This record gives sequence, C-alpha cells and structure tokens, in this order.
Amino acid sequence: ETGVTQTPRHLVMGMTNKKSLKCEQHLGHNAMYWYKQSAKKPLELMFVYSLEERVENNSVPSRFSPECPNSSHLFLHLHTLQPEDSALYLCASSQDRGGLVGELFFGEGSRLTVL
Amino acid sequence: GEDVEQSLFLSVREGDSSVINCTYTDSSSTYLYWYKQEPGAGLQLLTYIFSNMDMKQDQRLTVLLNKKDKHLSLRIADTQTGDSAIYFCAESLSGGYNKLIFGAGTRLAVHP
Repeated sequence: ETGVTQTPRHLVMGMTNKKSLKCEQHLGHNAMYWYKQSAKKPLELMFVYSLEERVENNSVPSRFSPECPNSSHLFLHLHTLQPEDSALYLCASSQDRGGLVGELFFGEGSRLTVL
Repeated sequence: GEDVEQSLFLSVREGDSSVINCTYTDSSSTYLYWYKQEPGAGLQLLTYIFSNMDMKQDQRLTVLLNKKDKHLSLRIADTQTGDSAIYFCAESLSGGYNKLIFGAGTRLAVHP
C-alpha cells in the first residue's frame, strides 16, 4: 500500500447513527489533516494533527470528533450528523518541517451522505 | 480573514489554451499553489510558485503571480481532454505546519 488510503469510500448514515472514517498514510509523514469538500464551496480545513497533537480545530461542531492514535492513522468519528454534513471528506498528510511547504498528499476521500 | 476565490467553471476546446484565475487575501503567503483533482480522486499538487517570483513555467503550465493585486493564474497550453479536472488555488499561511487555504476549485471541461 502506498500513499494515503481512506475507508470507507462511501458511507450513508442516518442522523442518529455513529460511524467513523479512517485514514492511513504510508509516507512516513508527521502531520495529518481532515478537509471537507462541498460543492461550490472552498475546501474547508477541519482538523490538523502535527506530531500526533491536534494543532488546529477550525470551529468544527462537536458532532465531529477526530482521533490520531499514531502518526500513520487518523480517524473522524461521526455522531448525530445533519443532512448538511453530507460532503466528501478528504484526509491528507504532509511532512511538517522538512518537506516542501504546502505539499499535501491527499486520499481519494470518503463520500458521506446523511439521510 | 483568509479567503481564496476562483471562478467555478471553465470550458475550452481541445488544443486551445486554458487560463484559470484566482485571487487571495493574505499578502504574507510564502507560497501559492495549484492543485488538481481528477474525477474520483484526491487533490494532487500540480505546481507552486514562491511569493518573490512573478512567473514559473513547467512544460505546458505557466503560473503568473501579481502580488500587488493578489492575483494568481494558471495557464495550460495545448489543453487536452486529460486535463479535464478541478483545479484548486491555495495559499499557505504561517503556523509551523502546512496550513493551506483553498478556493472552491475551477472545473475545467475540455471538449473536442
């Protein structure tokens, strides 16, 4: 496996469900990110982990809960979501302090639909 | 606050040049980027320009930066159907990690 892998690729959930999105990077990077991609809107930075510590939390509702157990894995736990949370959730990784500044490596995304 | 704006859609004929434009707000951005997202895929870094440069050329790609107007453009020469994708403009902010602010993306459609 190479690059950044996200599972599941597609997820449909009801507003009362609890589910998780998983991201794994095989690049030896030390920073990981969650972005939200909605149609016709700027890509929205949600969370950043650098060296396994959360360094950014962009006013994201508490129904989204990130977890970074180690530098290779990142989760996004979802509970009591709203239909407007339906979007493509992208995970990315980078080498903080060492790689090209601004070079993020993205996964293919998890397409979430909230009914 | 930080903001990156770009038009949402561009349609060009195969073989023509494409020009995708972007405006940004943070004059202290060190780098500015173009990322490409092909259908069903994540974003991939296409090219970037350091803020003290006006132009960067890389094969069919030309990036122009006007710092005074905070305007960035990407020109694709001899556009091919394989160039059909969404192109995201992004600026980097300080923070010790790679904090990028992206635009909404410009969907480039290439037709015969």
